[in-house]
Amino acid sequence: EPEVTQTPSHQVTQMGQEVILRCVPISNHLYFYWYRQILGQKVEFLVSFYNNEISEKSEIFDDQFSVERPDGSNFTLKIRSTKLEDSAMYFCASTTAPEGYTFGSGTRLTVV
Amino acid sequence: LAKTTQPISMDSYEGQEVNITCSHNNIATNDYITWYQQFPSQGPRFIIQGYKTKVTNEVASLFIPADRKSSTLSLPRVSLSDTAVYYCLVGDKTGTYKYIFGTGTRLKVLA
Repeated sequence: EPEVTQTPSHQVTQMGQEVILRCVPISNHLYFYWYRQILGQKVEFLVSFYNNEISEKSEIFDDQFSVERPDGSNFTLKIRSTKLEDSAMYFCASTTAPEGYTFGSGTRLTVV
Repeated sequence: LAKTTQPISMDSYEGQEVNITCSHNNIATNDYITWYQQFPSQGPRFIIQGYKTKVTNEVASLFIPADRKSSTLSLPRVSLSDTAVYYCLVGDKTGTYKYIFGTGTRLKVLA
């Protein structure tokens, strides 16, 4: 069964540092998403991406965040200057409508 | 966006059938109903999706009444490994649609 792959599975970074979270969506999928989940809280939408541009973003997705599809396979989330409150699980998802999303297994980001 | 309401938690015993109901009173004509399962520290996993009446796959059934203002996820003969959080999500299928997750239903299966 096709999978969405996320790397790394766990990243520890110092406050103020830049991090890049990587995702390889399912190859024939066209729509890509990032969500995050702070420990013990609900899954929150960050951004959707289609046709090489952002379709929609949430209030959480401020100027510190950016997404990129640098080549035909990867989809990255960059946080420019991490804060303690950025510590969370970050999930990438992809879909090709009209199916439901396929989520990756997530990257646990710990900011210290 | 259609708002969904689910019970916060449910307990069940192994071997029982579990029904989790979700209400979505302002569901739109183009909206589909999708259920996801999430284990701790893992990404949500697609379970089932439907538009109306009944949908069944190898793991679950989804019952949707004619007015579509609610839906029921049915898990037959649950096991301990079905302990997870279950999310009911409502949205269209245009692809650019974003799912908004609620708090979900925390199902605990007891031996």
